[in-house]
Amino acid sequence: NAGVTQTPKFQVLKTGQSMTLQCAQDMNHEYMSWYRQDPGMGLRLIHYSVGAGITDQGEVPNGYNVSRSTTEDFPLRLLSAAPSQTSVYFCASSSPTAINEQFFGPGTRLTVL
Amino acid sequence: QKEVEQDPGPLSVPEGAIVSLNCTYSNSAFQYFMWYRQYSRKGPELLMYTYSSGNKEDGRFTAQVDKSSKYISLFIRDSQPSDSATYLCAMTFRWGFGNVLHCGSGTQVIVLP
Repeated sequence: NAGVTQTPKFQVLKTGQSMTLQCAQDMNHEYMSWYRQDPGMGLRLIHYSVGAGITDQGEVPNGYNVSRSTTEDFPLRLLSAAPSQTSVYFCASSSPTAINEQFFGPGTRLTVL
Repeated sequence: QKEVEQDPGPLSVPEGAIVSLNCTYSNSAFQYFMWYRQYSRKGPELLMYTYSSGNKEDGRFTAQVDKSSKYISLFIRDSQPSDSATYLCAMTFRWGFGNVLHCGSGTQVIVLP
């Protein structure tokens, strides 16, 4: 099993550009989520999903969109990148029987100029 | 004042020593307490979680929660160089998916061979 995979590993964007961060998991987990991690700020929840077709907002959803068409994939879209979105983004997944035991991907380091 | 305070370190210890990590928090409504380990350039990995006050042990790791003092601790016995990582404390008001994680900023631990 590859676990949780994220692409790309690194990305540099200009202000106003859009992009999609990819996340996939092969553990058949129903629950998936996106976090951002900034220095001194810990992990902040952006969006989460409890199954295909079901998504909800987390703590800091503004500027980000998600959709979940399959159990395996949970992409995160930045519609118009801003310097404040410079961060490390982590995708995580978990099983409904172990909700808080989330498996995290390796992260995407995003810089917005 | 941050909701969850954690000394950023770095904390350097010789191999075999006990590593003592702690976090303080301000909101007495927190019920679930987690510790994550994060290696450099990797995603966080859940080490332990506890509910309310008390101790929990898992191998070389012991987590303690003192709700009366709003203080949580993680002890690593017989530390190894492979324990060198950043340790994040996190807490939530309730158990379940999509809960906001209230995190410390992480403590960097260096175990010297």
